[in-house]
Amino acid sequence: DAGITQSPRYKITETGRQVTLMCHQTWSHSYMFWYRQDLGHGLRLIYYSAAADITDKGEVPDGYVVSRSKTENFPLTLESATRSQTSVYFCASSSSLNTEAFFGQGTRLTVV
Amino acid sequence: AQKITQTQPGMFVQEKEAVTLDCTYDTSDQSYGLFWYKQPSSGEMIFLIYQGSYDEQNATEGRYSLNFQKARKSANLVISASQLGDSAMYFCARLRPHGSSNTGKLIFGQGTTLQVKP
Repeated sequence: DAGITQSPRYKITETGRQVTLMCHQTWSHSYMFWYRQDLGHGLRLIYYSAAADITDKGEVPDGYVVSRSKTENFPLTLESATRSQTSVYFCASSSSLNTEAFFGQGTRLTVV
Repeated sequence: AQKITQTQPGMFVQEKEAVTLDCTYDTSDQSYGLFWYKQPSSGEMIFLIYQGSYDEQNATEGRYSLNFQKARKSANLVISASQLGDSAMYFCARLRPHGSSNTGKLIFGQGTTLQVKP
């Protein structure tokens, strides 16, 4: 189906483990974003990408790694998960800087 | 830091009345985009309205309008004739344009929770 999808929708992992959250969009949008949403903080930008092989840090990049070898995929990796990374993660994509970003359904990650 | 500030953590409005949600931003850019999103309790992010910094007229989309005051760096969302389904969290966001050092950086405010009373 066309759109932007995140997987998994829910994930529980242990402290210290590596975990990858997947994001896939079918529109060939140039821009993609990863956010985390926590109570009292709204959505905070982790990483973003203007095109394949072009990524840049957002507001809270520490502890996260991204890659974008293909336009349609933008995985987010937590190299060594910590409890403070328990959050809801949103991926988004946009075709241009004058139009809205479309969001995935979110991934609820719990680090125990 | 280039911040987005939403000073109203929560607001109430009577059904069928209008409500204004505040948003101010800090930027040195001359050209940028401003967005409002709605997040109902189900969690999805729904785009509402967009305003370009060089747009001469305030953006409108149905019952949503944006009161854009560039000199004051404010972009308040006005919802007219509130409906019960408008109860949600609302986020203001700003986008850095082409040519800036962080092209494509889209950042959000902390959000305002709106409750519509019947």
